Amino acid sequence: AQKVTQAQTEISVVEKEDVTLDCVYETRDTTYYLFWYKQPPSGELVFLIRRNSFDEQNEISGRYSWNFQKSTSSFNFTITASQVVDSAVYFCALIMNRDDKIIFGKGTRLHILP
Amino acid sequence: EAQVTQNPRYLITVTGKKLTVTCSQNMNHEYMSWYRQDPGLGLRQIYYSMNVEVTDKGDVPEGYKVSRKEKRNFPLILESPSPNQTSLYFCASSPSLGQGNQPQHFGDGTRLSIL
Repeated sequence: AQKVTQAQTEISVVEKEDVTLDCVYETRDTTYYLFWYKQPPSGELVFLIRRNSFDEQNEISGRYSWNFQKSTSSFNFTITASQVVDSAVYFCALIMNRDDKIIFGKGTRLHILP
Repeated sequence: EAQVTQNPRYLITVTGKKLTVTCSQNMNHEYMSWYRQDPGLGLRQIYYSMNVEVTDKGDVPEGYKVSRKEKRNFPLILESPSPNQTSLYFCASSPSLGQGNQPQHFGDGTRLSIL
């Protein structure tokens, strides 16, 4: 069965702290894609990153970085020097190549306190 | 401007009164999908469509219908809405998924309240 687990329901950190959001996935497929989306308080869903199962390189984009480890089936997301504008719900998602269905995690609500 | 447009954005209605939420995209995307978002449950896929006249059930299709007669439109139909369908609904589209693994573009959401 395919599954995405975001064990952290809610996290609060003080501004400028680093924070890591965990994402663990389950799939038997060898070809799949992983995504992170951000949902700010305004409600829209904003695409952050996509990774395919053959690309385990970590990625950095400004203060955001992602650590993809197939050995532990994890695709964690780190925000460095967090800012209040980072406050949002963050979703991790899994897409299997064979059927194009998408499975989202339940999301992690991140509060950045000033 | 490339976008996915959902209407209405908000709707309060009563049990049993048929309603349709429209979704339209102007990017010539093949793949379109509907999700519902509920507290503590994240986003769950209702239906998806890989092209015109091709639709498939997602994880929570009960109580919903969709159609894909044209590439740009993918309406979500609630024939007899019930209170447990009160939720925030998102429509999304992408060029394709299987080959392009493209990120989805989401609409702004429709908040439905069924009394």
